[in-house]
Amino acid sequence: AQKVTQAQTEISVVEKEDVTLDCVYETRDTTYYLFWYKQPPSGELVFLIRRNSFDEQNEISGRYSWNFQKSTSSFNFTITASQVVDSAVYFCALSEALFSGGYNKLIFGAGTRLAVHP
Amino acid sequence: NAGVTQTPKFQVLKTGQSMTLQCAQDMNHEYMSWYRQDPGMGLRLIHYSVGAGITDQGEVPNGYNVSRSTTEDFPLRLLSAAPSQTSVYFCASSYSPVLEQFFGPGTRLTVL
Repeated sequence: AQKVTQAQTEISVVEKEDVTLDCVYETRDTTYYLFWYKQPPSGELVFLIRRNSFDEQNEISGRYSWNFQKSTSSFNFTITASQVVDSAVYFCALSEALFSGGYNKLIFGAGTRLAVHP
Repeated sequence: NAGVTQTPKFQVLKTGQSMTLQCAQDMNHEYMSWYRQDPGMGLRLIHYSVGAGITDQGEVPNGYNVSRSTTEDFPLRLLSAAPSQTSVYFCASSYSPVLEQFFGPGTRLTVL
């Protein structure tokens, strides 16, 4: 079955530390999509990145970087020089094709709560 | 663009009451969906729609109904509220089934 595991329930760091959030997924599909979303204390869900299964290049966006490794079925997220504003719950998600209706549903991990302290 | 909007933001119901959670998007997205978020469980798909007039069940559809009469609107109806439906509900839309989904701000529902 398709599944996303975020083993770290909570992480606490001090500002300026680097932190990596782990994501491990399971899928039988050869074509799939992985996502990261951020949920700040205000509650909305903010899209961070989408990656398709054919693109294993790492991606960097400012202080954020993502490491996608198909060999280990992992899509880890690193925040460099963390800041208090990074405090949020971060969700990793896998897009699963639903054969009826042509829709891809998102399968979410349970989330990792990151607390960055001054 | 307002993006995805949801009303109300908060709602308290008594067991057995019915209500409709509203969702609208102004991005002309064909794909819309409803998720519920429960502590420690991430988000789970309730119902989805691939276009006006077309809806289908997701992972946890029991106790909920949807309809899609227009591209913009995708209301979620609770037929007879139960305490197990206490949750935060998110509506989402996307341009394509493989692209990112844009989420509304959520509705926090408590059923007593």
